[in-house]
Amino acid sequence: NAGVTQTPKFRILKIGQSMTLQCTQDMNHNYMYWYRQDPGMGLKLIYYSVGAGITDKGEVPNGYNVSRSTTEDFPLRLELAAPSQTSVYFCASRPTWRNQPQHFGDGTRLSIL
Amino acid sequence: DAKTTQPNSMESNEEEPVHLPCNHSTISGTDYIHWYRQLPSQGPEYVIHGLTSNVNNRMASLAIAEDRKSSTLILHRATLRDAAVYYCIQGGSQGNLIFGKGTKLSVKP
Repeated sequence: NAGVTQTPKFRILKIGQSMTLQCTQDMNHNYMYWYRQDPGMGLKLIYYSVGAGITDKGEVPNGYNVSRSTTEDFPLRLELAAPSQTSVYFCASRPTWRNQPQHFGDGTRLSIL
Repeated sequence: DAKTTQPNSMESNEEEPVHLPCNHSTISGTDYIHWYRQLPSQGPEYVIHGLTSNVNNRMASLAIAEDRKSSTLILHRATLRDAAVYYCIQGGSQGNLIFGKGTKLSVKP
């Protein structure tokens, strides 16, 4: 039961570096999401996708980019990393029917120094 | 911003029932109420969701007020493993979840 898999689990970046956070799911879900969670706060939506080739911005998209070339994969790209992007990043997926539960990965803990 | 209001924290004794309240006074007729929980250092985990009537599953029960402006998540017998942050969420327009700060539940042995 792999579910939603995120890599890496931890990463330290220097200011100005770039990286890609990987997310893959094996449940054939059309909908996928990227959230970030700052300490003591709830999750905020960065980007989401309703299917391969379709992405859209969430609440806090600035400084990030996404792509969705396959149903399984939804990578999140950070360009020019900034200290404000230090956070825990969660990827999630769900089936097409609107009120089905989302399945979350275990997160990527990212520090930018 | 989150559309629900929850207490910041609650305490329970092990093996006792826990009632976690949530207010969602701006809920529309088609919005579901979702509950997720997040254990330390893990991603959120689905607990239960419902629209109008009370719902039960193996993890919990969800009691929704008749006017739908509030709901209560019920854990029938709290265990130490139930210590987590519980989020009550009104569904977003694209099925995304709008998280607040949730209720941190502590369970005492």
